[in-house]
Amino acid sequence: QKEVEQNSGPLSVPEGAIASLNCTYSDRGSQSFFWYRQYSGKSPELIMFIYSNGDKEDGRFTAQLNKASQYVSLLIRDSQPSDSATYLCAPFRGNTGFQKLVFGTGTRLLVSP
Amino acid sequence: DTGVSQDPRHKITKRGQNVTFRCDPISEHNRLYWYRQTLGQGPEFLTYFQNEAQLEKSRLLSDRFSAERPKGSFSTLEIQRTEQGDSAMYLCASSLAGLTQETQYFGPGTRLLVL
Repeated sequence: QKEVEQNSGPLSVPEGAIASLNCTYSDRGSQSFFWYRQYSGKSPELIMFIYSNGDKEDGRFTAQLNKASQYVSLLIRDSQPSDSATYLCAPFRGNTGFQKLVFGTGTRLLVSP
Repeated sequence: DTGVSQDPRHKITKRGQNVTFRCDPISEHNRLYWYRQTLGQGPEFLTYFQNEAQLEKSRLLSDRFSAERPKGSFSTLEIQRTEQGDSAMYLCASSLAGLTQETQYFGPGTRLLVL
């Protein structure tokens, strides 16, 4: 079982729709969960993080976390063509000796005008 | 621009040559990370420093790879006797330890092509 699993996509949505990106993880010791956006040929850019069960909203983005199900998701409301990118999910354990982010392969999102 | 810089941005080398990359983190950040990313994959952890101490190394980091952070500021990643399989994007990230939610910020990356 991979440590982090994401559907590689592409996930295609029309402009203005809600895009839903999902991620499951295997390490129950994970404390925080980060979503990064990566445009083609560029480095990952932080969108948001979540560490408590439930929802966290930031502008058009909402992260949802369910630690019991080991599931984290990212919703993008009113999707724009500029949101077309790969979205990387990364759990973080944060204890001594386990400081690294563990990335999924990412989900490619395509927003059509 | 996150404030993390990397140099060079692109490097083309021949198999068997040595290459060195540099990363300058955000100035107040005491943790520095190196990741490698190949096409279609997420970044893979290589190593990290807290100040000048290298605290963790991935099993992916063969003995041809060495990283340093001599004064707890910038870091270098050297690859000796490069192989074609080393072709990838090398990413550096930095963070400030001790925050409740430690966040890593990435530099622009160094894209390596080994011919």
